Amino acid sequence: QFVLTQPPSVSAAPGQKVTISCSGSSANIGINRVCWYQQVPGQAPKLLIYDSNKRPSGIPDRFSGSKSGTSATLDITGLQTGDEADYYCGTWESGVVVFGGGTRLTVV
Amino acid sequence: HLQLQESGPGLVKPSETLSLTCAVSGGSIAAPEYYWGWIRQPPGKGLEWVGTFHDSGNTYYNPSLRRRLTISMDTSKNHFSLQLTSVTAADTSIYYCARLGYQVVDTWGQGILVTVSS
Repeated sequence: QFVLTQPPSVSAAPGQKVTISCSGSSANIGINRVCWYQQVPGQAPKLLIYDSNKRPSGIPDRFSGSKSGTSATLDITGLQTGDEADYYCGTWESGVVVFGGGTRLTVV
Repeated sequence: HLQLQESGPGLVKPSETLSLTCAVSGGSIAAPEYYWGWIRQPPGKGLEWVGTFHDSGNTYYNPSLRRRLTISMDTSKNHFSLQLTSVTAADTSIYYCARLGYQVVDTWGQGILVTVSS
């Protein structure tokens, strides 16, 4: 029931790279900026990427985002156990906020 | 340093009204470059946008909640509020207040769990 589509889960080993996808449409991602949010269990979401590929102050460059057409991706390199969290993409559609269903990252 | 803090009852009875307040410090809710709003998350589930407002009076509500929802602001106290009427168990969620820049939710409160139960 989420406007944006994300894989439910991804996993990778420490030190490896993982990519999380976010698929939308011409009404949302296609014409608007994409954000990514990290939610560690028990905590509030935190802004990770904004304007599709920009990092707020304090976010390491291991996290990067990109957008192409109606899809976006979040790449995380040099995985650490502390990266285990839920990751949500978000954008706008007709002036309102829409989210993906979230992707649980497991670092195994 | 901007901080947002939600407050309100953690338990609401079915059919009653859920009322929450978000106290803002380190920034003004009258700042023209920002919107402010609410996002909720049912336990163990994903994020759902609830509603957003601007000091200019522009307000946007989730269509699925519109007929039950009111978001208001008090610039003198630098806080804003949410009222959701006729609640059911489906409204049980963690409610986050947030600041929104241009197409970004850049700051989140810590969240408050509200359970709807008799």
